[in-house]
Amino acid sequence: DTAVSQTPKYLVTQMGNDKSIKCEQNLGHDTMYWYKQDSKKFLKIMFSYNNKELIINETVPNRFSPKSPDKAHLNLHINSLELGDSAVYFCASSQSPSWGDTQYFGPGTRLTVL
Amino acid sequence: GEDVEQSLFLSVREGDSSVINCTYTDSSSTYLYWYKQEPGAGLQLLTYIFSNMDMKQDQRLTVLLNKKDKHLSLRIADTQTGDSAIYFCAGGATNKLIFGTGTLLAVQP
Repeated sequence: DTAVSQTPKYLVTQMGNDKSIKCEQNLGHDTMYWYKQDSKKFLKIMFSYNNKELIINETVPNRFSPKSPDKAHLNLHINSLELGDSAVYFCASSQSPSWGDTQYFGPGTRLTVL
Repeated sequence: GEDVEQSLFLSVREGDSSVINCTYTDSSSTYLYWYKQEPGAGLQLLTYIFSNMDMKQDQRLTVLLNKKDKHLSLRIADTQTGDSAIYFCAGGATNKLIFGTGTLLAVQP
């Protein structure tokens, strides 16, 4: 049983397009996250939602819009894709927003913008 | 803000011990974590240590924490080829995790 799942696993698209990445967790957690890992493997938080409410927004361009329809889902929509958006995007979840709670990561979505 | 640094690369022979080091700046971190990322995969939690502990052992893994020097290390005993991966340390800061730069561990047969 997959705890944190993401779709798609790979996404290749042209500059200027709009795309979405979906994330679901079946752990019953209240908090979900989106991270971006660049080509040098630097991993940085983008957003965090707790009980469907945004609690962290880390200086991410407005082209990125997270949406949490319910506690188990956190989707990431990206408008007007740019070359610099190419990265691996990881979804994660934890029981609560406290960083003392273990975060469980999805397998990642590799986005390539041509 | 929080800064977490790691050496970029470590190469060891199979059967040897590996020691991966991490330094951090935020002394208020209550928990410090080690994550493993295998090629093409997501991050997997390996172990964590509470800030009031100096050491934690979990099978082949030993975590050492020196709070005075803000230094965290992960020792892998009897390193196997399956341990080849990128290892990230992470610390908590203002309700979010800050990840280190990652250390690529290469295990030579």
